[in-house]
Amino acid sequence: EPEVTQTPSHQVTQMGQEVILRCVPISNHLYFYWYRQILGQKVEFLVSFYNNEISEKSEIFDDQFSVERPDGSNFTLKIRSTKLEDSAMYFCASSERQGAKKGGRAISYEQYFGPGTRLTVT
Amino acid sequence: QKEVEQNSGPLSVPEGAIASLNCTYSDRGSQSFFWYRQYSGKSPELIMFIYSNGDKEDGRFTAQLNKASQYVSLLIRDSQPSDSATYLCAVNTGFQKLVFGTGTRLLVSP
Repeated sequence: EPEVTQTPSHQVTQMGQEVILRCVPISNHLYFYWYRQILGQKVEFLVSFYNNEISEKSEIFDDQFSVERPDGSNFTLKIRSTKLEDSAMYFCASSERQGAKKGGRAISYEQYFGPGTRLTVT
Repeated sequence: QKEVEQNSGPLSVPEGAIASLNCTYSDRGSQSFFWYRQYSGKSPELIMFIYSNGDKEDGRFTAQLNKASQYVSLLIRDSQPSDSATYLCAVNTGFQKLVFGTGTRLLVSP
């Protein structure tokens, strides 16, 4: 069964350093996402990406964050200057399709999550 | 104002019983609703999704949606100890992003 993969599984970095988290979405999926989960808290949306551009982002996704699809398979999240509060599990997800809007709102189809990267900023 | 609310639990049920997990959401325009299972230290695993009012069954799982009441639930029949996990309700409130609740911890005792 196809699955989303992520590397590394655990990344330790010092405050102020740049980190790149990598993801390989499911091969026929076209929509890609990053979420994060701080320990003991809920899963939070960061950004969605389609057709080589950001389609939606949250308030968390500020200028320190960027995403890229450098080739046909990888999807990356870069944090330019890490802060202590960036310590969290980062999950990549992908979705095959996105529904047409109904009553002004799109139907979001199933998003499948990767195993996550635990980022520890010291 | 919390967008997606769940009781944090734990919800304790004996093996073989029905577990009932509930979720309410605040955005009346939400169109898509998902249940994920998350084991401790692992990623969310999609187990059910529902887009229309009513019930949707898949094996031991039934998702129920009532848009008028802004309520979605998950029933797990014949609960097993391996079902012990945190169940996350997620709602699509915009174009693509999912908004998650804090999750309900389910404990199934043998």
